[in-house]
Amino acid sequence: SQQGEEDPQALSIQEGENATMNCSYKTSINNLQWYRQNSGRGLVHLILIRSNEREKHSGRLRVTLDTSKKSSSLLITASRAADTASYFCATDRYNFNKFYFGSGTKLNVKP
Amino acid sequence: SAVISQKPSRDICQRGTSLTIQCQVDSQVTMMFWYRQQPGQSLTLIATANQGSEATYESGFVIDKFPISRPNLTFSTLTVSNMSPEDSSIYLCSVRGNSGNTIYFGEGSWLTVV
Repeated sequence: SQQGEEDPQALSIQEGENATMNCSYKTSINNLQWYRQNSGRGLVHLILIRSNEREKHSGRLRVTLDTSKKSSSLLITASRAADTASYFCATDRYNFNKFYFGSGTKLNVKP
Repeated sequence: SAVISQKPSRDICQRGTSLTIQCQVDSQVTMMFWYRQQPGQSLTLIATANQGSEATYESGFVIDKFPISRPNLTFSTLTVSNMSPEDSSIYLCSVRGNSGNTIYFGEGSWLTVV
């Protein structure tokens, strides 16, 4: 990808379990964002974390950011079958007004 | 947030032809972006389209292949020229929200080249 990698590439869990996805990026950033994509459709914005923040919560989502390691994680707690989707991180490189995406994690939540 | 409409949503195209994708936004935005997503892959930025200036292309993408227009603050087009099967992808239009930090996406245009 243009900016970074995500792992795992694919994750399969049972409903009710937690899902953790990791994102690594290459350059200094202003912000990091997470998106969800259902079945090749448009992307839905989930959460944004700024480079001076370390952790952020939104509902069942928890995002962490470690700028020293150039990495972020997305935790989805108490997963549901409806969470089945691909998840991507996106970063805007410092001083660049554009956004680059990681390679994505395909999450399958089994009912 | 911004509501973004893309046309066509899906098309099957003949090899060697060109197709223009339209992107309409419900509010005025400065920055628009075009991405390509090949099957099973992540999104790759093609170019940034700002009103009143030439589009800025990423490495590996050229204007002759992907000409872009940005006639006003709510509309842009991307043309995929002289298509080959390798151009079969989802093409996504996105805009930077006026708060500056979030980008929003259209539903994408799914092109299959045969």
